[in-house]
Amino acid sequence: NAGVTQTPKFQVLKTGQSMTLQCAQDMNHEYMSWYRQDPGMGLRLIHYSVGAGITDQGEVPNGYNVSRSTTEDFPLRLLSAAPSQTSVYFCASSYRTGFYEQYFGPGTRLTVT
Amino acid sequence: AQSVAQPEDQVNVAEGNPLTVKCTYSVSGNPYLFWYVQYPNRGLQFLLKYITGDNLVKGSYGFEAEFNKSQTSFHLKKPSALVSDSALYFCAVRDRAAGNKLTFGGGTRVLVKP
Repeated sequence: NAGVTQTPKFQVLKTGQSMTLQCAQDMNHEYMSWYRQDPGMGLRLIHYSVGAGITDQGEVPNGYNVSRSTTEDFPLRLLSAAPSQTSVYFCASSYRTGFYEQYFGPGTRLTVT
Repeated sequence: AQSVAQPEDQVNVAEGNPLTVKCTYSVSGNPYLFWYVQYPNRGLQFLLKYITGDNLVKGSYGFEAEFNKSQTSFHLKKPSALVSDSALYFCAVRDRAAGNKLTFGGGTRVLVKP
């Protein structure tokens, strides 16, 4: 199993550009989520999904869109990049929610200039 | 709303000494509690979790954590720290009554000196 994979590893965008961060898992997990990690602020939940076709907002959803058309994939779209979105983005998955631990991808480091 | 506090930004400990990383939480109901570790330029890795039952939970790499309901705490401990334990540690909580969102603390950097 590859686990949770994320692409790209690094990305530089100009303000106003759009892009999609890819996330895939091969563990048949129902639950997937996106976090951003900023210094001193831990991880903050952007969006999550409890299954294909179902998504919901987390703590900091503004400026981001998600969709879940398959169990395996959960892409994160930046609609119009802003410098405030400079961060490290992690995708995670788990069998379900509740007491199941999450498996994290290696992260995408995004810089918006 | 649920929340997690890790009061120490950094913990320094000598190799071989006990290591403690503090975590307190707030939820409206009963919690599921987790500890994760992050090594440089890597994603988070699961260490251990509290679901129910015994308040002392044992996890990976010799780590354990004690759940204290009255103090709403879930401190991470290791009896004898290794230099390789140097990393960023995150506590996280999920409210059983509102189980879809996992909330993380701000993280504690652990530095184990030889």
